[in-house]
Amino acid sequence: DGGITQSPKYLFRKEGQNVTLSCEQNLNHDAMYWYRQDPGQGLRLIYYSQIVNDFQKGDIAEGYSVSREKKESFPLTVTSAQKNPTAFYLCASTLFASGNSYNEQFFGPGTRLTVL
Amino acid sequence: DAKTTQPTSMDCAEGRAANLPCNHSTISGNEYVYWYRQIHSQGPQYIIHGLKNNETNEMASLIITEDRKSSTLILPHATLRDTAVYYCIVRHYSGGGADGLTFGKGTHLIIQP
Repeated sequence: DGGITQSPKYLFRKEGQNVTLSCEQNLNHDAMYWYRQDPGQGLRLIYYSQIVNDFQKGDIAEGYSVSREKKESFPLTVTSAQKNPTAFYLCASTLFASGNSYNEQFFGPGTRLTVL
Repeated sequence: DAKTTQPTSMDCAEGRAANLPCNHSTISGNEYVYWYRQIHSQGPQYIIHGLKNNETNEMASLIITEDRKSSTLILPHATLRDTAVYYCIVRHYSGGGADGLTFGKGTHLIIQP
């Protein structure tokens, strides 16, 4: 059964602690993304990676770090430098488009992080 | 990427067609219109996209005006499961360079029984 998994679904951390959110996909997709969503708001792009061992900052990368050591995995670390880390975090992936086709982004179920 | 404007919320009766408008008056010639939706506390789901021609798939239809400054997403026979936030996104077609999407606040569509 192919898809994107994010774990855990709910995560609680104390202020000042780093925390790593997991994202795994078995769709053989090339690109992976991390988004953040605050209540009543749209999604904002944190980081994305188009190929293994390469990634780019999105609109709100400060206080976050990522790695892409394997094609199927793109973990996100929320560091203590992130001032307001409590949010809903969504991972997505996509196959690179070929020709004139568009390959949509597939999203995982999300991780709700609460920093106490 | 061009900015989009959508109503904050809309109601629609179950079984009727839901018509969700989107204004994108600054759209440029190489920018596409994409629609995604997000059911509460889940990840967004792709619905449809188009450049200038009207498009239809198993989920919805997309009507783009001739000047491309606005579009309408149509769910032909809305069900309670269509209650969600619908996002209209305008961006250039990136081809092989798959960079991220920019989501506004979208339209909260509520299907009434």
